[in-house]
Amino acid sequence: QVQLVESGGGLVKPGGSLRLSCAASGFTFSDYYMSWIRQAPGKGLEWVSYISSSGSTIYYADSVKGRFTISRDNAKNSLYLQMNSLRAEDTAVYYCARDYQDTPGYWGQGTLVTVSS
Amino acid sequence: QSALTQPASVSGSPGQSITISCTGTSSDVGSYNLVSWYQQHPGKAPKLMIYEVSKRPSGVSNRFSGSKSGNTASLTISGLQAEDEADYYCCSYAGSSTFWVFGGGTKLTVL
Repeated sequence: QVQLVESGGGLVKPGGSLRLSCAASGFTFSDYYMSWIRQAPGKGLEWVSYISSSGSTIYYADSVKGRFTISRDNAKNSLYLQMNSLRAEDTAVYYCARDYQDTPGYWGQGTLVTVSS
Repeated sequence: QSALTQPASVSGSPGQSITISCTGTSSDVGSYNLVSWYQQHPGKAPKLMIYEVSKRPSGVSNRFSGSKSGNTASLTISGLQAEDEADYYCCSYAGSSTFWVFGGGTKLTVL
């Protein structure tokens, strides 16, 4: 079965950096596009970034453009999110999600990122 | 402020039906049949309940149904059960620049 496990979250100071990882299993990782979606505490969902199956096509939400970088290693079945210049408003649970019929269909359990001094 | 507009809360008694609306624009809901709905219980990851406006993934109860008219999509849950109490989010594809937009979420209370 599809399994997505995020890691790398934690407490970081404003202006700091963090790298999130998502380990995928139970499917052929290189066949699917992937996304990061976040949820601030007590708030709704916000799409963050998308990467195509080969990694050749990438999109970002305006709120993170220029600060976050999405990447993937198909040989390691892993998805990454490099987050730089972090702000308080980036505090959220970050989910990785796999495509299912052109929508985020499978989600990991999430990893919490807290940006605070 | 979320891109898609949902009511903050809805409620219903066991056995009843409820409908949650999701209003977008001609740039998202109105332009694509790529509306999906997610159920989220407290502390859990969202679960896909409806995709492509009205299709159900394998394993999702047929008590859940979706529809769309113009810029507004709807999720209907019939025969309400206690375990349906959760937050529900709509999502729409919005083109290659904005990609996916979500609603603010609706808290369903089963009375």
